[in-house]
Amino acid sequence: GNSVTQMEGPVTLSEEAFLTINCTYTATGYPSLFWYVQYPGEGLQLLLKATKADDKGSNKGFEATYRKETTSFHLEKGSVQVSDSAVYFCALGNNAGNMLTFGGGTRLMVKP
Amino acid sequence: NAGVTQTPKFRILKIGQSMTLQCTQDMNHNYMYWYRQDPGMGLKLIYYSVGAGITDKGEVPNGYNVSRSTTEDFPLRLELAAPSQTSVYFCASSYPTGGSYNEQFFGPGTRLTVL
Repeated sequence: GNSVTQMEGPVTLSEEAFLTINCTYTATGYPSLFWYVQYPGEGLQLLLKATKADDKGSNKGFEATYRKETTSFHLEKGSVQVSDSAVYFCALGNNAGNMLTFGGGTRLMVKP
Repeated sequence: NAGVTQTPKFRILKIGQSMTLQCTQDMNHNYMYWYRQDPGMGLKLIYYSVGAGITDKGEVPNGYNVSRSTTEDFPLRLELAAPSQTSVYFCASSYPTGGSYNEQFFGPGTRLTVL
């Protein structure tokens, strides 16, 4: 079945540092890939997505590229801010388009 | 649009009590989902619905029941609360187009503690 593996957190960075959160997946076919963000006390929000190989999703300075050859969808940001402190979830969509499989989440803490 | 709304935000139950978590969406989405999120963990699917009158089990359905009488509402029922059901519960909805587009929209969550 489908599965998603994320690097374990917490990840602690200083403001303006470079961020990478690793995400790899196992799936059949050509799934869509997502990054969701959960700010403290809130529900999940879609951060970015990619629907086919080599697509790059981007939003709010975050980027992730769908790499089919390495089955990866790593999240990156060139310069993090304190306001980026949150839990980040990588997710994979099934081929029917109606289910998501989530990774375990990675907590990011950015210090001023 | 209010999106996906959930009530209550917080609740404390005693072991054996029952309660219903409410979820409503105003986006005319056909799919709705209930997840639980345990501390430090990812989301696990409890139940989902593909439309009014149709529900199905997810990964962790034991101890829960759902119903879907309208497109908008998808309540989750706990009949005999147990400490293992202490968690944060999220409702979500989506409108799959038949392709590979799976975006789900989430409510703010209900934090439930069973003592």
